[in-house]
Amino acid sequence: GAVVSQHPSWVICKSGTSVKIECRSLDFQATTMFWYRQFPKQSLMLMATSNEGSKATYEQGVEKDKFLINHASLTLSTLTVTSAHPEDSSFYICSASQANTGELFFGEGSRLTVL
Amino acid sequence: TQLLEQSPQFLSIQEGENLTVYCNSSSVFSSLQWYRQEPGEGPVLLVTVVTGGEVKKLKRLTFQFGDARKDSSLHITAAQPGDTGLYLCAGGRGNYGQNFVFGPGTRLSVLP
Repeated sequence: GAVVSQHPSWVICKSGTSVKIECRSLDFQATTMFWYRQFPKQSLMLMATSNEGSKATYEQGVEKDKFLINHASLTLSTLTVTSAHPEDSSFYICSASQANTGELFFGEGSRLTVL
Repeated sequence: TQLLEQSPQFLSIQEGENLTVYCNSSSVFSSLQWYRQEPGEGPVLLVTVVTGGEVKKLKRLTFQFGDARKDSSLHITAAQPGDTGLYLCAGGRGNYGQNFVFGPGTRLSVLP
């Protein structure tokens, strides 16, 4: 199957700093990527849809100035958590949609801990 | 809003038992995917079903898409400890690159 890679796998930062998470589709081009947040023992919550070359579409309740998404190429989308606070601590997961099949492939996830 | 429900939410069984997990909605989906997720990792795609009534088998796992494309089931035969994980169903809301709606998941624990 297609491979999607996230980096970093885990990150610990101080409150007030910004953290960037990368999502790459390694063997296919993804015009659309998705960012999710997952709390312990819960399902995935879609945060935003990232389209290459255009602004991301955010789900209701997700602050676009807090969670900056950039999709500069067909293989890379980034999520930047700005001025992170402890309540932003979570497991962030990206997925990429394979253009010809519409199937979703997920990254390994990135665990953010804000102290 | 299209919502997906999964049942049961939690399931703990002994190795060798059979089980069925259900995914239900009042909405029609263009496709439905099943994923398994282990702690600290991203979901891994198990199967995609797109045709009403479709049945797919993956070793000991059998997936079925309802005739009306509103529901699906996952049946595991002779469960193994390696089957332990969070099983998520996701309904596709469109064609090609459209985002999916995820169910709340079924957490399965298979005891040796």
